[in-house]
Amino acid sequence: ETGVTQSPTHLIKTRGQQVTLRCSSQSGHNTVSWYQQALGQGPQFIFQYYREEENGRGNFPPRFSGLQFPNYSSELNVNALELDDSALYLCASSRRQGPDSPLHFGNGTRLTVT
Amino acid sequence: AQTVTQSQPEMSVQEAETVTLSCTYDTSESDYYLFWYKQPPSRQMILVIRQEAYKQQNATENRFSVNFQKAAKSFSLKISDSQLGDAAMYFCAYRTPEGGSEKLVFGKGTKLTVNP
Repeated sequence: ETGVTQSPTHLIKTRGQQVTLRCSSQSGHNTVSWYQQALGQGPQFIFQYYREEENGRGNFPPRFSGLQFPNYSSELNVNALELDDSALYLCASSRRQGPDSPLHFGNGTRLTVT
Repeated sequence: AQTVTQSQPEMSVQEAETVTLSCTYDTSESDYYLFWYKQPPSRQMILVIRQEAYKQQNATENRFSVNFQKAAKSFSLKISDSQLGDAAMYFCAYRTPEGGSEKLVFGKGTKLTVNP
């Protein structure tokens, strides 16, 4: 069973640029969610995707957007990068079988904005 | 809005000893789920244990157990017979029972050091 994989592992961008982060769901999983983890903090929910549609969003501005593809993989896009966007971005997938179905996380993408 | 508080930024324990990590939460919901996740230096969040609020029995997974006090909104994690591999960041998390929601609300974490 293939786990959740994220790419790239590390990324350095300049303020104002745009970035795309990628996530491949664990086999058999149909729901993807994204989290931002700033240094020294717990992860914060950005949004989730199910059946290629966003169906839940945290307190993040519209410049954070995403996509889910038919194979359930996903992208997180961030426009007009700000210094505060520097963080670890975690992707998680699940089977959407109920609120106790466990989320499986990837190893994250470390984004640094200079 | 739900909040999760972990009041211990760092904890340490001797190998083979027992340690308890604290977590409190705030919610107006009567049914929900609570989790403890472990994040080693590899950065991957690994599920340690979960508890359903409507179950009074405390969850147990091998050396890991919880003390769930619903009235006090407290959810502590006990690690018995601590091992060097238990060293990591530990996060307490809350999940709403709302159908289809994958949103977890995390605390700020507790860094656990295991001394040989």
